Amino acid sequence: SYGLTQPPSVSVSPGQTARITCSGDALPKQYTYWYQQKPGQAPVLMMYKDSARPSGIPERFSGSSSGTTVTLTISGVQAEDEADYYCQSADSSGTYWVFGGGTKLTVL
Amino acid sequence: QVQLQESGPGLVKPSETLSLTCTVSGGSLRSYYWSWIRQPPGRGLEWIAYIYYSGSTKYNPSLKSRVTISVDTSRNQFSLKLTSVTAADTAVYYCARGPGNSSGWYGNDYWGQGTLVTVSS
Repeated sequence: SYGLTQPPSVSVSPGQTARITCSGDALPKQYTYWYQQKPGQAPVLMMYKDSARPSGIPERFSGSSSGTTVTLTISGVQAEDEADYYCQSADSSGTYWVFGGGTKLTVL
Repeated sequence: QVQLQESGPGLVKPSETLSLTCTVSGGSLRSYYWSWIRQPPGRGLEWIAYIYYSGSTKYNPSLKSRVTISVDTSRNQFSLKLTSVTAADTAVYYCARGPGNSSGWYGNDYWGQGTLVTVSS
């Protein structure tokens, strides 16, 4: 079955740039979506169609895509950005959707 | 503002059927896809299924034989049934709008708060 691969953890100091990657064979064909989840809360959509920011999402969040890897970049990381981040996409035929395993972002 | 609320039993016995309903307020089901997503305790998100307001569906292949998703536009609700549950089905179950609408794919932009369903005798 199709899967998306994320690093389990990323750590950065406040003010630095965090990059969270998501890899999958179908990513050149399918858009990727990113979610932020804080403990005890529902996920929040942070990015759609690889690099589009929903209304209300800070500009320090950006997305990019290159081949089979997409990247969520958080510039000038703040303490409030500490959370789990999940990528989401569809398989090559668009038949079903999957989430990556999630990346825990720690702000040191 | 669109709001979603999951409802259903918090405890289900092994081998029985898990049934959840999501009530949508502040907006119509029309023209949107609607999803069920779950998260086992301490683990990641798993997409279960989605349904278009008109009734077309897609299921996670690993759950397809046990899952049914349905929609009731008159009540502004959609529902999930998962049969033959085991302890592995213990999770927080979320309903969400998306991953798209009649114009395209935009992700799951509104989520319910989630409801914990425990499978135990």
